Amino acid sequence: QSVLTQTPSASGTPGQRVTISCSGSSSNIGTHSVNWYQQPPGTAPKLLIYSNNQRPSGVPDRVSGSKSGTSASLVISGLQSEDEAEYYCTTWDDSLSGWVFGGGTKLTLL
Amino acid sequence: EVQLVESGGNLVQPGGSLRLSCAASGLIFSNYWMHWVRQAPGKGLEWVANIKQDGSEKYYVDSVKGRFTISRDNTKNSLYLQMNSLRAEDTAVYYCASLGQIVPWGQGTLVIVSS
Repeated sequence: QSVLTQTPSASGTPGQRVTISCSGSSSNIGTHSVNWYQQPPGTAPKLLIYSNNQRPSGVPDRVSGSKSGTSASLVISGLQSEDEAEYYCTTWDDSLSGWVFGGGTKLTLL
Repeated sequence: EVQLVESGGNLVQPGGSLRLSCAASGLIFSNYWMHWVRQAPGKGLEWVANIKQDGSEKYYVDSVKGRFTISRDNTKNSLYLQMNSLRAEDTAVYYCASLGQIVPWGQGTLVIVSS
């Protein structure tokens, strides 16, 4: 059972918009910024969003992140086949004195 | 080019030890908190440990406390994970990373704990 809760799966058709959520508590998301990682099958994770809503260079602007209270969201618009991957949220947790990951959301294109 | 390269993974018997290494290049290594993150076969990501830039602070996930030790050598741009008393549940690909930083992860190194 992960400290950060993510819906295990999400899906959409090419061109659609999908939202992936990450729910936490006051000791983690409520206090600290959230980062999102994308992991296509068989590859290492790649940073997609840092500090809640910042995109590294090379990440398209159809990808966005936000945080409100103890939850965070990742939005991918204009879905493309390359977006098929597992997505993880992560942040620091004060109660655990450690970093925590969500359980991951597998995004499938229909 | 920024690069992290892990090494040291192997097949080891339960109760055994292993030392993982991570060589960093293309970045000012001493500027970054560094982490070990693992991924068991078919499972999600699990944070294992991290270490402050100067090594003065270290944190561990409860399941490895007392068994694993994270360390770094900034003169060699290297991160280490000494793993003792290994258990079957430690079987995973181990990645070194700088979480939340624009530093690409390495390819990981596979640790298999089995008799």
